[in-house]
Amino acid sequence: LAKITQPISMDSYEGQEVNITCSHNNIATNDYITWYQQFPSQGPRFIIQGYKTKVTNEVASLFIPADRKSSTLSLPRVSLSDTAVYYCLVGEYGNKLVFGAGTILRVKS
Amino acid sequence: DSGVTQTPKHLITATGQRVTLRCSPRSGDLSVYWYQQSLDQGLQFLIQYYNGEERAKGNILERFSAQQFPDLHSELNLSSLELGDSALYFCASSARQGSFTDTQYFGPGTRLTVL
Repeated sequence: LAKITQPISMDSYEGQEVNITCSHNNIATNDYITWYQQFPSQGPRFIIQGYKTKVTNEVASLFIPADRKSSTLSLPRVSLSDTAVYYCLVGEYGNKLVFGAGTILRVKS
Repeated sequence: DSGVTQTPKHLITATGQRVTLRCSPRSGDLSVYWYQQSLDQGLQFLIQYYNGEERAKGNILERFSAQQFPDLHSELNLSSLELGDSALYFCASSARQGSFTDTQYFGPGTRLTVL
């Protein structure tokens, strides 16, 4: 099983770019990397998913180096509404799916 | 609003009891996933159903069971409840064959409190 490590918390200011790195040293060949965002009292919400290199969508970018042992979620120009918990998820299916403990992102004005 | 509904929103019960949590997936989604989220364990995958059949199993206790019905709604049954079962239980659904590479849409959760 992939063992996932991500920072417990991060602080940022509005308008800054935030990078959250997830370490997954024993990621398997078939594993994808997915990031979810969770607000208090709500279910997690899909942000982005990738397998290798770089993926970008309308809300974030995901950078995955060639060895795939880590990944970085990049949130451009954060706002107060981006304050949430961000989960890194590694896996393909079944009980090989592993969530990280989550990173609390606090955005200040 | 993800389109996934869960009932009840809150549930308070006593140790030793049995409860049933219900989930209705997004219209057209065939896969349903159940997760447990507690303060000390984080998000834990419990079980997944695809089109009525169990597809994947995670850290689900033997006291817990689930099923997916022909109309694709799912129920999670928790029995012989213990204090440690107090947690948020989330249901998620996805559209396709049920690989975890599919985007999962989470419901608002059921908060279970065992006294």
